[in-house]
Amino acid sequence: NAGVTQTPKFRILKIGQSMTLQCTQDMNHNYMYWYRQDPGMGLKLIYYSVGAGITDKGEVPNGYNVSRSTTEDFPLRLELAAPSQTSVYFCASNQQYSYNSPLHFGNGTRLTVT
Amino acid sequence: DQQVKQNSPSLSVQEGRISILNCDYTNSMFDYFLWYKKYPAEGPTFLISISSIKDKNEDGRFTVFLNKSAKHLSLHIVPSQPGDSAVYFCAAPNFGNEKLTFGTGTRLTIIP
Repeated sequence: NAGVTQTPKFRILKIGQSMTLQCTQDMNHNYMYWYRQDPGMGLKLIYYSVGAGITDKGEVPNGYNVSRSTTEDFPLRLELAAPSQTSVYFCASNQQYSYNSPLHFGNGTRLTVT
Repeated sequence: DQQVKQNSPSLSVQEGRISILNCDYTNSMFDYFLWYKKYPAEGPTFLISISSIKDKNEDGRFTVFLNKSAKHLSLHIVPSQPGDSAVYFCAAPNFGNEKLTFGTGTRLTIIP
């Protein structure tokens, strides 16, 4: 059981470049999330989705886009990379909104923008 | 506005002793609270949760205590083991939506 899989693990981008962070889960979870973690900070929610075709903004959505065409996949798109987007990105999923349904996280993508 | 706060960035504890990690919150409407554990180069993993209607939840060596009047929760690890060395995050859901708010984390180091 793979759980939540994120690719790539590492990436270096130049300012202005674009890229897509991939996330897929095999648990048939309805809810999926993208978080970023900056040094010394907690995880900040970028975007989330409650099901295929439905997405919504989190706390820090500027500079990012998402789509959810299938239950399994939730890619995060950076269109014009900026140094402020240097961070570790985590994708997560859960079945429902409940304390009995905690988040399952991927192992993260470490992104550096120079 | 940081609704969930972990004021101790780091904590060192001798192996076999008790580790106590603290978390304060500002929103009295939180339904439940969760603790996550994170090893380097891995994603956070769920550790233990507590509903706001309880004041204690225990799972093996891990116990979470909730003091609603003080808006404070704590995670106790007894006895502490080297494998407990990790960053611990407390988290709570924003009222009425699916968004979890995370604290900034406490790095726990267990000294053999």
